[in-house]
Amino acid sequence: AQSVSQHNHHVILSEAASLELGCNYSYGGTVNLFWYVQYPGQHLQLLLKYFSGDPLVKGIKGFEAEFIKSKFSFNLRKPSVQWSDTAEYFCAVNDKVVTGGGNKLTFGTGTQLKVEL
Amino acid sequence: GAVVSQHPSRVICKSGTSVKIECRSLDFQATTMFWYRQFPKQSLMLMATSNEGSKATYEQGVEKDKFLINHASLTLSTLTVTSAHPEDSSFYICSASAIHEQYFGPGTRLTVT
Repeated sequence: AQSVSQHNHHVILSEAASLELGCNYSYGGTVNLFWYVQYPGQHLQLLLKYFSGDPLVKGIKGFEAEFIKSKFSFNLRKPSVQWSDTAEYFCAVNDKVVTGGGNKLTFGTGTQLKVEL
Repeated sequence: GAVVSQHPSRVICKSGTSVKIECRSLDFQATTMFWYRQFPKQSLMLMATSNEGSKATYEQGVEKDKFLINHASLTLSTLTVTSAHPEDSSFYICSASAIHEQYFGPGTRLTVT
């Protein structure tokens, strides 16, 4: 079974600081990769995704992520965070060989980001 | 964009009773829906995969007789927590799958007293 690791559980940054959240996965085959964000009291929203092609993926709200296959990583970055980026961030992976029903996602444990003014 | 709703958003029930949670895809058809459980400050744990017109596929360790899933149409899946116990208190989230993406509902907070 595949697993997803997010090593930073809590991150506190000041506004305008740069952000990088780590994500590593264990599956050795072809994968689709996702970052989701969950703002306080809201549901999960897709930030960005990687299916194929350019390994540097740009998402909403100035976020980007880089897929490095050799490192099994898909780290999330933002050059300058804002107070409104305070949220929980989840990395997720689904393997492209679909068995059973649908595209099962495996989530990381999440990273709680707090941006201070 | 694709919208998924859940009803109710919050429910409190007594031990031993059953609770039904609905998950609807509002503007698209979803052959597959997923049910997750999220514990405080933890990640989403996949409980089961629900395919329209067929039996749900449960993840290891999830009791299928306790968490009944019905996917009667391409826009509706229901999760029924039967004979609820306090340890079933949690945040239950559904998602609906379209091609390679999942769209998440807002979740249902279940409290069993």
